[in-house]
Amino acid sequence: GAGVSQTPSNKVTEKGKYVELRCDPISGHTALYWYRQSLGQGPEFLIYFQGTGAADDSGLPNDRFFAVRPEGSVSTLKIQRTERGDSAVYLCASSFGGAYNEQFFGPGTRLTVL
Amino acid sequence: AQSVTQLDSQVPVFEEAPVELRCNYSSSVSVYLFWYVQYPNQGLQLLLKYLSGSTLVKGINGFEAEFNKSQTSFHLRKPSVHISDTAEYFCALGNQAGTALIFGKGTTLSVSS
Repeated sequence: GAGVSQTPSNKVTEKGKYVELRCDPISGHTALYWYRQSLGQGPEFLIYFQGTGAADDSGLPNDRFFAVRPEGSVSTLKIQRTERGDSAVYLCASSFGGAYNEQFFGPGTRLTVL
Repeated sequence: AQSVTQLDSQVPVFEEAPVELRCNYSSSVSVYLFWYVQYPNQGLQLLLKYLSGSTLVKGINGFEAEFNKSQTSFHLRKPSVHISDTAEYFCALGNQAGTALIFGKGTTLSVSS
């Protein structure tokens, strides 16, 4: 079956612009996660959804970052007033249940803020 | 606070040699540990995990890891590596709330002939 997909694969934007990153999880997975991976670092947790609700958003760095999952499937990560420090690969993962279950990762969206 | 330290950023090894990738963790609560692998141009995938029970955990592709509570370690081992094992390996710890993984910085395993 299809895995986790993310669009776009690459996004180049200018400082101050607004961007949206999309994640399509594996069908039937109730849990969805966003992570951010900077160069030379491991993935860093941003937000966790269980169904439609954000059960843990403690990893969002500031209020410029927001994510939604309105129907409990597709999720969108939204970044306002982008800064050069937001440049990273944004990873989405999904799983049955919580984080101790196997998480299936998408290929990521590489965001570059000029 | 919970954290994961991968002690080697790069590990070069020849084909058919044994390899050990080291991982240490810090946690004051119950420990759930994972190894994920990222092959070039692919998403991360689970190699193995320790939730409870036997401290020796076997995973896919001939990898295994041993949970050592006294040394707070979860090292990954393979007795004989292949060229195809060349990848980035991440050790991860489940956070206390069960909502996320805390990853180490990764170890690049490079297997040459």
